Amino acid sequence: SQKIEQNSEALNIQEGKTATLTCNYTNYSPAYLQWYRQDPGRGPVFLLLIRENEKEKRKERLKVTFDTTLKQSLFHITASQPADSATYLCALDSSGYSTLTFGKGTMLLVSP
Amino acid sequence: GAVVSQHPSRVICKSGTSVKIECRSLDFQATTMFWYRQFPKKSLMLMATSNEGSKATYEQGVEKDKFLINHASLTLSTLTVTSAHPEDSSFYICSARVGRTNYNEQFFGPGTRLTVL
Repeated sequence: SQKIEQNSEALNIQEGKTATLTCNYTNYSPAYLQWYRQDPGRGPVFLLLIRENEKEKRKERLKVTFDTTLKQSLFHITASQPADSATYLCALDSSGYSTLTFGKGTMLLVSP
Repeated sequence: GAVVSQHPSRVICKSGTSVKIECRSLDFQATTMFWYRQFPKKSLMLMATSNEGSKATYEQGVEKDKFLINHASLTLSTLTVTSAHPEDSSFYICSARVGRTNYNEQFFGPGTRLTVL
């Protein structure tokens, strides 16, 4: 069966360090992978999209990698700040092209 | 960025009543809107996909007679939870997308917390 796995344990890091979050998937062949941020009691906010033929994508302090051989995406936040504390969700396209399936998300806690 | 609103943000209702949730794209026309539900510490579960002017496509296990979706215009979709029961209590989130492929990002609403007593 198809699975998307993100670390269920919260990731605690100190301000200024690089946070790395993992998204692994099985039985998918996604053309795209997206990362979203979700704050408590709020809807997700889109961060980055990476296509299957792209190895890496950057946006300001964010970097996403996509390894279709390992079936894994890594999401990095450099120079992390307490304001980066949130749950981060990865999402894969499913049904070929039209819908997204989300992982459970990993909570990131950045302490001052 | 594009803004999606939901109304109401919170609703408490008695068991057996129906509740309507509105989802609006405020500054763009959405080709497609999606409805999700999310339980605490769980992932978003897609309930249905709706394209303007056509019937919604429901995910497996979602009762279309219980969760009525209307997408009457390119800026408005509604979800009506009919004869709500306590197990329907959840966080309902809509999203809107321009275009029909996942290359286009989804813009999410702030969510509606439904509590059924």
